[in-house]
Amino acid sequence: GAVVSQHPSRVICKSGTSVKIECRSLDFQATTMFWYRQFPKQSLMLMATSNEGSKATYEQGVEKDKFLINHASLTLSTLTVTSAHPEDSSFYICSARVPSGDTGELFFGEGSRLTVL
Amino acid sequence: GQNIDQPTEMTATEGAIVQINCTYQTSGFNGLFWYQQHAGEAPTFLSYNVLDGLEEKGRFSSFLSRSKGYSYLLLKELQMKDSASYLCAAMDSNYQLIWGAGTKLIIKP
Repeated sequence: GAVVSQHPSRVICKSGTSVKIECRSLDFQATTMFWYRQFPKQSLMLMATSNEGSKATYEQGVEKDKFLINHASLTLSTLTVTSAHPEDSSFYICSARVPSGDTGELFFGEGSRLTVL
Repeated sequence: GQNIDQPTEMTATEGAIVQINCTYQTSGFNGLFWYQQHAGEAPTFLSYNVLDGLEEKGRFSSFLSRSKGYSYLLLKELQMKDSASYLCAAMDSNYQLIWGAGTKLIIKP
C-alpha cells in the first residue's frame, strides 16, 4: 500500500516553544492531507484539512493561528504547534488519501507524540 | 447531526469469533471504513464497504446495511495480536470521515 511518513515520532519541548511536525507521502502525490489529534483512549479528532497550494481548512474549535499548516508541495504537509502549552500534549497523526477514484482509502503516518513540559 | 456509535470495549477468547457493531448517521453516505489501531500507533486500514453485503478478507469480514445505517466487523480465529482498538468511520456526502470513538478489543488466552 501507499506510504505516509511522519516525523518526528516523539518530541518533548518546553512550554512556549514551537514544534514542527512533517508529513510526507513517499510514493504518491497527495493533493489533500488531514491532520488529527488523539487524546488517550479517545478517537481521532480531525483538526484540519490541508490542501496543496492553498490555505488549510480548520475544524470548528481549532485555532488556526496556533496550529499552522503548510502544504507547499504534493508530497509534504507540515503542522507547526506555536507557543506550545502542556494542554497541547497529544498524539498528532496525519493522513493522506490516495486518489484511487473509488474508495479514496486513507493512509496514516506513524503519528507524533508531543509532550510539552 | 452526524453520529457514529460503537461499543466501548469487548472481550473475547483466543481462537473464537467476535463481531463489533457500528451504527451511523451521516449527511449523505459514501462508504464505511474499519481501521485497526494498536496502542500508541496510528490506525491501519482494514476494510471499506459502500454496497450492502459482506466483504471477506482473510480472517476479517465487514458487513454493511445502508438502509439500517449499520455495519459490523467480524474477526475469526482470534489471535492475541488482534488486541487493539477498532475504529468505525463513515464518509459523508462531502467525502469527510466521521469517526467513531473506537472499540477496544481485549483477547484472553
